Amino acid sequence: AQSVTQLDSQVPVFEEAPVELRCNYSSSVSVYLFWYVQYPNQGLQLLLKYLSGSTLVESINGFEAEFNKSQTSFHLRKPSVHISDTAEYFCAVLRGSQGNLIFGKGTKLSVKP
Amino acid sequence: DAGVTQSPTHLIKTRGQQVTLRCSPKSGHDTVSWYQQALGQGPQFIFQYYEEEERQRGNFPDRFSGHQFPNYSSELNVNALLLGDSALYLCASSSPQEAHTEAFFGQGTRLTVV
Repeated sequence: AQSVTQLDSQVPVFEEAPVELRCNYSSSVSVYLFWYVQYPNQGLQLLLKYLSGSTLVESINGFEAEFNKSQTSFHLRKPSVHISDTAEYFCAVLRGSQGNLIFGKGTKLSVKP
Repeated sequence: DAGVTQSPTHLIKTRGQQVTLRCSPKSGHDTVSWYQQALGQGPQFIFQYYEEEERQRGNFPDRFSGHQFPNYSSELNVNALLLGDSALYLCASSSPQEAHTEAFFGQGTRLTVV
């Protein structure tokens, strides 16, 4: 069975500092991996995804994630965070060809001035 | 493109009542999935509709049921509401032509059961 573990429930960080949100997955088959962001009282927005090819994927707002098959990880990083990055971040794996997502429990990123 | 739209945004129900939530998928998407997000948790898959049929189901009781209409919109029905059904209910649309790799979520319906 596929599962997703987000290792940190909360990550406080100061503005302009680097951040890493950790995600590990378990799957016996090829995986499609995703990071979603949820701002307060809103739905989920796709941040970035790994389907195949280059193991490093980037978003338009400076986040990047690296697919590491040997460590079964898909950690999210940003070299310099902004106050506006404060949100909850969810890592997810697509369940085979069936098309439903399995989410981790989320990591709340809190960026302080 | 309006994206995925859900209604209502909030509602309050009493234990034992029934509720219906609605979702219109993103233009071009024909598959609708419903998720329950309890406070402080990640979304949990309830079920998925495609071609007006339930194709997959997560670990939710039969009190949770749904429907998909010919225009691909969908409803989620919950009967005999329990306090534990209080959550944010999210609808996502996708397409098998994209192998469901582009799932778009609505803003959600916040259900409070009192």
